[in-house]
This record gives sequence, C-alpha cells and structure tokens, in this order.
Amino acid sequence: HLQLQGSGPGLVKPSETLSLTCTVSGGSISSSSYLWGWVRQPPGKGLEWIGSIYYSGSTYYNPSLKSRVTVSVDTSKNQFSLKLYSVTAADTATYYCAKASDSNGNWFESWGQGTLVTVLS
Amino acid sequence: SYELTQPPSVSVSPGQTASITCSGDNLEYKFTSWYQQKAGQSPVLVIYKDANRPSGIPDRFSGSNSGNTATLTIVGTQPVDEADYYCQAWDNTAYWVFGGGTKLTVL
Repeated sequence: HLQLQGSGPGLVKPSETLSLTCTVSGGSISSSSYLWGWVRQPPGKGLEWIGSIYYSGSTYYNPSLKSRVTVSVDTSKNQFSLKLYSVTAADTATYYCAKASDSNGNWFESWGQGTLVTVLS
Repeated sequence: SYELTQPPSVSVSPGQTASITCSGDNLEYKFTSWYQQKAGQSPVLVIYKDANRPSGIPDRFSGSNSGNTATLTIVGTQPVDEADYYCQAWDNTAYWVFGGGTKLTVL
C-alpha cells in the first residue's frame, strides 16, 4: 500500500525559500505511469495545484507560480521535493504531496498527510 | 487560464440525494475528478474520469459530465458524507485545475 509522507520546516521567513520533501513508501517512484505533485491549501480556502514531475525529471508548473517554483525528484531516495522562492504571507498554507495518474484526466489518486507551513517573520 | 466553478455550499437531508455541480468551458471534453475533504484531513479521490469510483468508495457516489457541467451525485446521503468537495480537470495549458470547492452540509 503506497504512502506519501511530507516533511520540512513549519515556519519560513518572508523572502526566504520554502523547502519540502515527500518520501514515497510501499512503491517505487520510478514508474512511467504516474506523476508526483504538490498541492497547497491556505487556511480556510480551496486547493491550488503547484507543480508535478515525472520520475524522469519532466515537470509541469502552475503558470501563476512558475517563476518561483522548482519541483525535483531523487529516485535513489524515492523522494520528490518542492522549493518555493521569495515567499510571502500569502504562501502560508498546508502543502500536500500527491501521486497522480498519467492517464487521460490525470487525477490525484493518493495524498500525503499535509504539512502546514507558516510564513512569518 | 482555465477555471472551474462550484457552488460554495449545498445542503441535503439525510437519506436524500445531493448533487454538486462543477462548470467550465467545454468541460465535457475533459475528464473530471472529484475529491472529498473532511475537516482536518487530506483530500480523498471519490470519482475519476467523470464517472469511475476508486475501490473502497461507496456506490452511493456517482459522477457525470455533459456540456459545460460535471456533476457529483450522492444518493442516500449519510451524515458521514458531510465534507468539502472539489472538482478537478486537466487542461492542456493550465494543467491541473481545481474548482473552488463546495461545502456539503447534511442536516
């Protein structure tokens, strides 16, 4: 049974870089049938997709965040990561890592538990 | 950019049928998925590719997609179904797009 576990600092200062890692267990990240993605949810608000990556390293980014985001993968550790640069208070959110199907429709079939990140000086 | 629109809230009595809509331009030509998110929990996939249920999702959940509107239907709604529901579609330029979410109240 595949599980995703996000980890990283819960507090980031404004203008700094938010860095999170998602560890995949119970399955391999190196599957051509799936993508690995990040979705965030500000307190009391809806879901916003951030970016997704294949195990090969090919990426997709939300056009509204693209200039500040990097998603990377480390197949040797079965992990993928998110970096969000120059954060502001508006980036305060729970960040979820998730596994997406590569089939037409690209749904998120498994989600991690979420990591609350607060941007605060 | 591509947008999906959902009603902010829907109310239903226990045992009745709840319908949650999701609207977007030419949505019928894109596959829609639905997620359930209970308070304090991660989202859970309940419908994918418009009308398919993952294993473990009760058959009272169903989905459809026609024209510009996709619909999540819950027949015989139970108190345990009270949650926020989000639709999601994949667009060739915006990629993964979520609707704003609908709060389902069972009362």
